[in-house]
Amino acid sequence: EDQVTQSPEALRLQEGESSSLNCSYTVSGLRGLFWYRQDPGKGPEFLFTLYSAGEEKEKERLKATLTKKESFLHITAPKPEDSATYLCAVLPEAAGNKLTFGGGTRVLVKP
Amino acid sequence: ETGVTQTPRHLVMGMTNKKSLKCEQHLGHNAMYWYKQSAKKPLELMFVYSLEERVENNSVPSRFSPECPNSSHLFLHLHTLQPEDSALYLCASSPGTGDHNYGYTFGSGTRLTVV
Repeated sequence: EDQVTQSPEALRLQEGESSSLNCSYTVSGLRGLFWYRQDPGKGPEFLFTLYSAGEEKEKERLKATLTKKESFLHITAPKPEDSATYLCAVLPEAAGNKLTFGGGTRVLVKP
Repeated sequence: ETGVTQTPRHLVMGMTNKKSLKCEQHLGHNAMYWYKQSAKKPLELMFVYSLEERVENNSVPSRFSPECPNSSHLFLHLHTLQPEDSALYLCASSPGTGDHNYGYTFGSGTRLTVV
């Protein structure tokens, strides 16, 4: 069974305090791993897609990396506006169009 | 209007009511989805509609009934719901099987409260 586990569940950071979020996954074959950001009361917003181990992608203060078992979302020098829930999802090879999501990490950045 | 639009944004209904959630996408995508998001639980896929497949999720209670009249519109018909059905219901769309560069595009969701 395909599984996605995110840790920690919640993260409190001071502005400027860099940290990393973890997404561990087990799938029969990976077509893609996705990171989303979700603000309260809104739908998830796409951030990155990673396809193969060793791949990295960056957007402003966010950097996503991928290994064969996990992905990390690094937040460098975060600002209060980076406060959100970050979701990880995998697209297994045999799943058609269906993503499997992790439980998310709630990030709060205090000024 | 662009993207994925869901209406209503908020809905309060009694257990004996019948209501419908609506989703419309203006992206030219070929697949649409209903997800349920409850507190402290991962997003749960309820239904998938695409040119390639229509997936009825056997684990979803029959009090939830999807309808997809065309590739741009998706409905979720609700009847005799239970309080535990209170959640954020998210609609999403994707280009289809061949393009995964952007995953899904989500709507803002309908916050459903069953009283």
